[in-house]
Amino acid sequence: KNEVEQSPQNLTAQEGEFITINCSYSVGISALHWLQQHPGGGIVSLFMLSSGKKKHGRLIATINIQEKHSSLHITASHPRDSAVYICAVSPDSWGKLQFGAGTQVVVTP
Amino acid sequence: GAVVSQHPSRVICKSGTSVKIECRSLDFQATTMFWYRQFPKQSLMLMATSNEGSKATYEQGVEKDKFLINHASLTLSTLTVTSAHPEDSSFYICSARDQGGEQFFGPGTRLTVL
Repeated sequence: KNEVEQSPQNLTAQEGEFITINCSYSVGISALHWLQQHPGGGIVSLFMLSSGKKKHGRLIATINIQEKHSSLHITASHPRDSAVYICAVSPDSWGKLQFGAGTQVVVTP
Repeated sequence: GAVVSQHPSRVICKSGTSVKIECRSLDFQATTMFWYRQFPKQSLMLMATSNEGSKATYEQGVEKDKFLINHASLTLSTLTVTSAHPEDSSFYICSARDQGGEQFFGPGTRLTVL
């Protein structure tokens, strides 16, 4: 059983819709990361969280340490947001990451 | 944000040859770099942790003699796939960790072994 579970596995939204991706984990962590992977393969680090909430442009990430749960929200989604979004956790302070399976997001015009 | 480069971005080689992939942190010093492999439609799998000036730490099941890692400086780590075989064909990605603990990923190297 993967220690990092993401849902949904796939998501299709129309342009402008609000998107939420969820991540649950079962281990103690020092930080949680949200990553974006485009079809070409390159990965962009969106957020690193250890508590609370962070916002960057149309993206918002929240984490609840007690419930071992994080969410990534995309407001006013756009076709260029189409990508795989990956949740990853750092169980220790050394930086090793454990990855969720990813959520394939497709935003249609 | 911080930039990590990888070279080459794509390589095709014959079975039995060795391939070297470079990972560089361009605007920060990275004491720790990580090497990942990703098969199609699958998540990233950590292969090894590379610390500057010391031997790499390999994950279980990853052959250290096949995947040679050298972290010669605070901005460069290399992964050499020795005696490559078709089953080594994959997407190899590195990441570099800055002093704040944030990780920045390279663009990846697609290796195809014929």
